[in-house]
Amino acid sequence: EAGVVQSPRYKIIEKKQPVAFWCNPISGHNTLYWYRQNLGQGPELLIRYENEEAVDDSQLPKDRFSAERLKGVDSTLKIQPAELGDSAVYLCASSLMEREGNEQFFGPGTRLTVL
Amino acid sequence: QKEVEQDPGPLSVPEGAIVSLNCTYSNSAFQYFMWYRQYSRKGPELLMYTYSSGNKEDGRFTAQVDKSSKYISLFIRDSQPSDSATYLCAMRTNAGKSTFGDGTTLTVKP
Repeated sequence: EAGVVQSPRYKIIEKKQPVAFWCNPISGHNTLYWYRQNLGQGPELLIRYENEEAVDDSQLPKDRFSAERLKGVDSTLKIQPAELGDSAVYLCASSLMEREGNEQFFGPGTRLTVL
Repeated sequence: QKEVEQDPGPLSVPEGAIVSLNCTYSNSAFQYFMWYRQYSRKGPELLMYTYSSGNKEDGRFTAQVDKSSKYISLFIRDSQPSDSATYLCAMRTNAGKSTFGDGTTLTVKP
């Protein structure tokens, strides 16, 4: 089966500019996650969707970050305006909610550099 | 203090060595315990998954969970250069909230 697809793979922007990341999960996976991974650290959850509903967005900085998952399939994460501290790898993952262990499959990530 | 603490490493071992990777946690609500492997510039991939306490073996990999001590381990036997990667522990509550450790970078030298 095709894996989680993310684009772009790399993005370099000036601070205060907007940026958007796109994720297409594994077909049939109803749960979608966005994580941020800083250098030398583990992934930190930003938002989790079950179908179209954001069920956990407690760690999403809502003043500048937004996300959407229209039709419960692919998803977009946006930052506006970007700050220097937003430089990180943004990972998307998906899973089948009903599957034992709820294994998350990760995409390759988008590496964001804010100058 | 973080909910999940992982031995930071880095760890360098000769080929064929037994590797032990460890994490401790503080949240009693964690019920699912996972180990992920992450190669450079790739996303994490699931290696082992355990529900509650106990041991689980898969080939050269053994995962142990001790809920009474809030301590989990991953053992790699007969380590290979291809095992060189960052290993992340992760834990999840029944509500579906996952928390990751910061990873241990392992290098296996031929």
